[in-house]
Amino acid sequence: AAGVIQSPRHLIKEKRETATLKCYPIPRHDTVYWYQQGPGQDPQFLISFYEKMQSDKGSIPDRFSAQQFSDYHSELNMSSLELGDSALYFCASSWGRGLNTGELFFGEGSRLTVL
Amino acid sequence: AQKVTQAQTEISVVEKEDVTLDCVYETRDTTYYLFWYKQPPSGELVFLIRRNSFDEQNEISGRYSWNFQKSTSSFNFTITASQVVDSAVYFCALSEPGGRRALTFGSGTRLQVQP
Repeated sequence: AAGVIQSPRHLIKEKRETATLKCYPIPRHDTVYWYQQGPGQDPQFLISFYEKMQSDKGSIPDRFSAQQFSDYHSELNMSSLELGDSALYFCASSWGRGLNTGELFFGEGSRLTVL
Repeated sequence: AQKVTQAQTEISVVEKEDVTLDCVYETRDTTYYLFWYKQPPSGELVFLIRRNSFDEQNEISGRYSWNFQKSTSSFNFTITASQVVDSAVYFCALSEPGGRRALTFGSGTRLQVQP
């Protein structure tokens, strides 16, 4: 079965550079979530989209932005990168918006290293 | 505010031992979901179980079992006859209110199963 696809899997950037991560949700899933997991930390919710509209916002820095496109894939754009942005970035997708579903399927993550 | 506490930072057992991972949560919502995810060394987040707040039945899946006790706000996870492949970080998570369904994660418990 198709899973959540994230690209690139690994990315190395210099400070103050820009990075873009892509996420392709499971087909027919309409909600996408982005999470950031620092070294030794638990995943922290950044932002979510439902039907291409921003659904909710967590601890996403102002330097970051994201959007969901008409084909439901999502991109997380990170500018003015800082050393502290080095982390594993997860995308997750789900179907439906109510609590009756509730199961998030996670991608394998994109590991960003900022030098 | 929602909170998930996994007091055990790291547990080490010998193969074939049983091990229980503790999870205590706080929420003001009457309707919520609890989850367990496994994060092996490769980094991906693997869904293990979802439990809604109205279903307090314990669940068993092979060597895995879960004990949900609403009275103590706990959702503990037991691995019976542990195996080396069970070595991973295990996260307990709670769904957030209002239909957001973004998850609040605990800090994780690192389980090491020695041969």
